[in-house]
Amino acid sequence: DAGITQSPRHKVTETGTPVTLRCHQTENHRYMYWYRQDPGHGLRLIHYSYGVKDTDKGEVSDGYSVSRSKTEDFLLTLESATSSQTSVYFCAISVGHHYEQYFGPGTRLTVT
Amino acid sequence: GQQVMQIPQYQHVQEGEDFTTYCNSSTTLSNIQWYKQRPGGHPVFLIQLVKSGEVKKQKRLTFQFGEAKKNSSLHITATQTTDVGTYFCAGVGEFGNEKLTFGTGTRLTIIP
Repeated sequence: DAGITQSPRHKVTETGTPVTLRCHQTENHRYMYWYRQDPGHGLRLIHYSYGVKDTDKGEVSDGYSVSRSKTEDFLLTLESATSSQTSVYFCAISVGHHYEQYFGPGTRLTVT
Repeated sequence: GQQVMQIPQYQHVQEGEDFTTYCNSSTTLSNIQWYKQRPGGHPVFLIQLVKSGEVKKQKRLTFQFGEAKKNSSLHITATQTTDVGTYFCAGVGEFGNEKLTFGTGTRLTIIP
C-alpha cells in the first residue's frame, strides 16, 4: 500500500456531463499517472504529472484533462463524458530510479 | 511509438502445471517490469529487470530479460490457486523516460 486513494470508487453518469476523478497520495511522490483499463487493451496511459502544475499527455488523452495544484492531488476531468469513456480508471505513483509504479484501488466509471 | 505485445491473452492450466507468459517490445527497453492484478483488484508491482540477459527468481516465479532487451518472460512453476490473476509486463523506453508502456496482459486461471 503506497498511500494512494481514489475517489469516487464507483460512479454512474450520463453522456455529456462533466466528471472529475481524484487521486490522493500521502507520501509526496513527484510522479503521478492516470490510466484506463479496458478488456483487451491492458493499461493505457491518459496523462501523467512530474510535479505541481507539470503535466503531459499519454497515448489516450483525447477527451481528458488533468490538474495538479498540490503535490498530493492529481485530478482527472472528463469535460463531457461519452459512453466510450466507460472504463476502470487507475491512478499510480512511481518510485525509484526505474519508475516502478504503485497503483490506487481504481474507480469504475459508467457513462450511460 | 513504443508497443509492447504480450502472449497468450488467456491461459487455463491445471493446478500444479507450469505457466509462461511472453512479452515483446517493438523497441529496445531500458528496463522491463512485471505486475500482477488479482480479479477485482489493482495492479501490483512484482519485479523489474534492467540488465541484458538478466534472470531473477521469486519463489516459484522466474523472470527473464532478453539479450537484446526487447523481450521478457515470466514462468511460474507448479501453479497454485493463489497465482490466479492477470500478469502484465511494462517497458520503459531505452532512454529511460518516466512513462511505462504496458502489455495487454495474460489472464491466468487455475483448474483445481
